[in-house]
Amino acid sequence: AQSVTQLGSHVSVSEGALVLLRCNYSSSVPPYLFWYVQYPNQGLQLLLKYTSAATLVKGINGFEAEFKKSETSFHLTKPSAHMSDAAEYFCAVSGVETGNQFYFGTGTSLTVIP
Amino acid sequence: NAGVTQTPKFQVLKTGQSMTLQCAQDMNHEYMSWYRQDPGMGLRLIHYSVGAGITDQGEVPNGYNVSRSTTEDFPLRLLSAAPSQTSVYFCASSYSRWGGGYTFGSGTRLTVV
Repeated sequence: AQSVTQLGSHVSVSEGALVLLRCNYSSSVPPYLFWYVQYPNQGLQLLLKYTSAATLVKGINGFEAEFKKSETSFHLTKPSAHMSDAAEYFCAVSGVETGNQFYFGTGTSLTVIP
Repeated sequence: NAGVTQTPKFQVLKTGQSMTLQCAQDMNHEYMSWYRQDPGMGLRLIHYSVGAGITDQGEVPNGYNVSRSTTEDFPLRLLSAAPSQTSVYFCASSYSRWGGGYTFGSGTRLTVV
């Protein structure tokens, strides 16, 4: 069965530093992969998605992610953190092995230190 | 604005009470889902629907019912509320089975006492 694992439930970075949030998936076939962001007391917003086209995916707010089949990873990065990036980030997977649905990782809380 | 609308935003129930969480979308999406979010557990799928009249169970369906009589609406019913159902509930919809990504509502925060 497909699933995603997010390494690190809490990540802290300094303002202006690189943001790296890790996501690994388990699947015997390449899945569809997504990153969502959740600001406090809000719903989830789609940041970016991989649907088997380009392996480097650019999203909103300067975020991007690279699909690496050999490493079964889909890590989220941003070159320079901004205070407004502080939020909860979720990786999600869907595809043939999930049936009709998305499955989410347990989330990574990003803190940006001024 | 187009999107997914959930009501109510907050609710307190007593153990044993029943209630319905409402969800409506105006994007003509076929796929709709209900998730619950609990600290440290991410989002877990409760029930989902692939179109009007078609629903199925997700990971944690016990204690919840759904129906989908129209494309727009996908209500979630709590049959007999329990403290373990205290959570934040999100409804989401998508135009695509797998690759489109879901649009989420703003959530319902439910407390069962």
